[in-house]
Amino acid sequence: EAAVTQSPRNKVTVTGGNVTLSCRQTNSHNYMYWYRQDTGHGLRLIHYSYGAGNLQIGDVPDGYKATRTTQEDFFLLLELASPSQTSLYFCASRRDRNTEVFFGKGTRLTVV
Amino acid sequence: GDSVTQTEGQVALSEEDFLTIHCNYSASGYPTLFWYVQYPGEGPQLLFRASRDKEKGSSRGFEATYDKGTTSFHLRKASVQESDSAVYYCALSALNVGDNSKLIWGLGTSLVVNP
Repeated sequence: EAAVTQSPRNKVTVTGGNVTLSCRQTNSHNYMYWYRQDTGHGLRLIHYSYGAGNLQIGDVPDGYKATRTTQEDFFLLLELASPSQTSLYFCASRRDRNTEVFFGKGTRLTVV
Repeated sequence: GDSVTQTEGQVALSEEDFLTIHCNYSASGYPTLFWYVQYPGEGPQLLFRASRDKEKGSSRGFEATYDKGTTSFHLRKASVQESDSAVYYCALSALNVGDNSKLIWGLGTSLVVNP
């Protein structure tokens, strides 16, 4: 079974603060994704990557940076957090185009 | 661009009721279609997928048939159980674009099954 591990699972930060969300997959998957999930909006793609050092812009990238340091590790950075970024964040991975996507358990971020 | 439209909001049923969640898509060619399920406190997980016209996907009593003519992939189950309560997502992965490494997601349908 493919494994995607996110940390932390919960995070509270203040407006203007810096936050880094971490994701590691041990599946040797090429593609990794960061989503946010909000009521009424479903899953929205923030950034994604198809290999170490690669970064692609998703559908809602404003206010977020991401970095893929290795095949396994994908980070999401919020450098000036705002209350509008309060959300449930999911990391996901998949081997190739059109194969199954595997999700982590999510990180709940609250910006106060 | 490509899109997915599914039954919006919440569907409330009683145990042993028949379930249909509608999913229609817009994409050229033959995209791969998926149904994912998300239980509370977890990330979405794959129910099944289909990639050819008239192909049926199925898992755990749920099924859907790829219909290119009506551009649909409706989720059905003959007799739901309380344990089926979850959010269901329809998604597609297009084949014909330069970068098809992302999925296009519907907004999700929350299924509540009452005992």
